[in-house]
Amino acid sequence: GAVVSQHPSRVICKSGTSVKIECRSLDFQATTMFWYRQFPKKSLMLMATSNEGSKATYEQGVEKDKFLINHASLTLSTLTVTSAHPEDSSFYICSATQGADTEAFFGQGTRLTVV
Amino acid sequence: DAKTTQPPSMDCAEGRAANLPCNHSTISGNEYVYWYRQIHSQGPQYIIHGLKNNETNEMASLIITEDRKSSTLILPHATLRDTAVYYCIVLYNTDKLIFGTGTRLQVFP
Repeated sequence: GAVVSQHPSRVICKSGTSVKIECRSLDFQATTMFWYRQFPKKSLMLMATSNEGSKATYEQGVEKDKFLINHASLTLSTLTVTSAHPEDSSFYICSATQGADTEAFFGQGTRLTVV
Repeated sequence: DAKTTQPPSMDCAEGRAANLPCNHSTISGNEYVYWYRQIHSQGPQYIIHGLKNNETNEMASLIITEDRKSSTLILPHATLRDTAVYYCIVLYNTDKLIFGTGTRLQVFP
């Protein structure tokens, strides 16, 4: 299957700083990418949909100024957690598709710990 | 909200078939059924998807009832590495995957 790479896989940052997470589709062009977060023993929660060349669409309750998403090319989307706080500590996962009704491929996830 | 219902957990002996059920009684005619699984602390992995016909690939088989209100994922010969959370997802007329709570499958020796 297609490969989606996330970087970094693990990051620890201080409270108040910002952290950028990258999501790359390595062998296909992703028209759409998605960002999820997952708390321990819970399911994945969709945060936002990222479309190349346009603004991201955020799910209800997700602060767009807190979680900045940029999808500058067909192979790269970034999620920046701004002014991180301990409650932002979570597992962040991206996925990418080539279009509607095709399977999504997921990155390996990024574990963010804010201290 | 996810529009699927799955049992929270199941056990299966290694080497036996694992049959994971999913109810999706409100599915509409052009919506697909997708299955993914998530092994601990990894991103989800695509398994299989189908519309109305049964499907089989190298990982699993997907059986969809004729009324399409439920489906079963079959892992024909479960191994310890198949221990994971399995998610059944109905894909709406967008390409957003909305995850429910899934079934935690434990394969034991």
